[in-house]
This record gives sequence, C-alpha cells and structure tokens, in this order.
Amino acid sequence: QKEVEQNSGPLSVPEGAIASLNCTYSDRGSQSFFWYRQYSGKSPELIMSIYSNGDKEDGRFTAQLNKASQYVSLLIRDSQPSDSATYLCAVNPPGSSNTGKLIFGQGTTLQVKP
Amino acid sequence: DAGVTQSPTHLIKTRGQQVTLRCSPKSGHDTVSWYQQALGQGPQFIFQYYEEEERQRGNFPDRFSGHQFPNYSSELNVNALLLGDSALYLCASRETGGTDPEAFFGQGTRLTVV
Repeated sequence: QKEVEQNSGPLSVPEGAIASLNCTYSDRGSQSFFWYRQYSGKSPELIMSIYSNGDKEDGRFTAQLNKASQYVSLLIRDSQPSDSATYLCAVNPPGSSNTGKLIFGQGTTLQVKP
Repeated sequence: DAGVTQSPTHLIKTRGQQVTLRCSPKSGHDTVSWYQQALGQGPQFIFQYYEEEERQRGNFPDRFSGHQFPNYSSELNVNALLLGDSALYLCASRETGGTDPEAFFGQGTRLTVV
C-alpha cells in the first residue's frame, strides 16, 4: 500500500462545475496535509494546507480532512480552464512535523473543458 | 522578495558523470529539502538540510549527497549518474520552528542523463 494515494485521472469537468479531488493516506499519525498544484513542466505551487478535521475554505478552494477515515479532499468551485493542472496531495508523516518532510501522492490530472 | 531559486534550469549529462545542482532558499527560510520527481510521479523526498547538517534522509543511495552553506543555500550532488536519475529535481525551503511551516518549491532543475 502506498503511503499517499490519489487517482491519477484524468478528471474531466466542464467549466463552472465543481471539481472534487481525493486523497487517502496510510499512516494514521500524520498531522499536516497539503494540496499543491503543478502545471505541466513547472514546479508544485502550494494552494491549501489543513491541519485539523473539517473544512477549510480559501476562495474557490475548499480542503476537507477526515482523520478517522484517513482521507483528504480538495473541492474547486466554479472550475476554470486555468485550473487544468496536476493536483498533488502531500502529507507530513509522523516524526516529521519539525522537519517538514513531505510524502506526495502521484497526483491527479484535472482537465476543465470550456 | 525572491522565492526559492534553483540553477541550472536544464542539464544534460552522460551516464557515469557527476552533477551538482544548486538552491537558494526563500528569504527568511533556513531549511532546504530536495525532491526527485520522475515523469508522471509525485515528488520523492531525497534529504533535508538544517544548520548545515543533513537532518533527515529518504530512501536514496549514497550516490546522492548534499551540502548546506552558512547562508542557507544548498547543493545536491549526484555521482555515477544512471539513466534512471533523469528527473525534475526540486528544492523546497521552509522556516523551521516558524509560524509558517509550509514548504515552497523552486522552479526545479530538469536533469537528463543520456
């Protein structure tokens, strides 16, 4: 079992729709969770961080965390073609909260069609 | 405020050669991590440097080594290059113990081994 798992996609949604991206992690002691966006040929860009159970909203983005189910999700409302990218879920594993070491999933490719 | 900067942006090397990649962290950041991202995969943690010492290491062979300088900049060295070392090498910086634990990535160095 991979430490952080994501469906590689592609996930295709029409412009204006809600895109839902999911991620599961294996180590129950993980404390910090991040979503990065990566455009083709570019480096990852941090878009959301979440540390406690529940929802965290930032503009069109909402991150959801459920530690009991070991599940993290990212919702993108009113999806735009410019949101088309690979979305990486990253987890700070136990024992690494001070160092900030990240374990990444393989990423989900999102395609927003005009 | 300059973000994380890496050099060079692209590099082509021959099998068996050695390579050095460089990273300057974001202003105010004292910790540098290196990641390897193969095509279609998420980044994999190589190691992290803090206070000029390797603080944590991922599952990479000893051919991968690094260094951190007093100004917090860092180098990644890879010896005896293999074709499989071809990847995007990412540097991420953060402030250990600061209020902003998130890691920010540089633009990456694309290494091609032929």
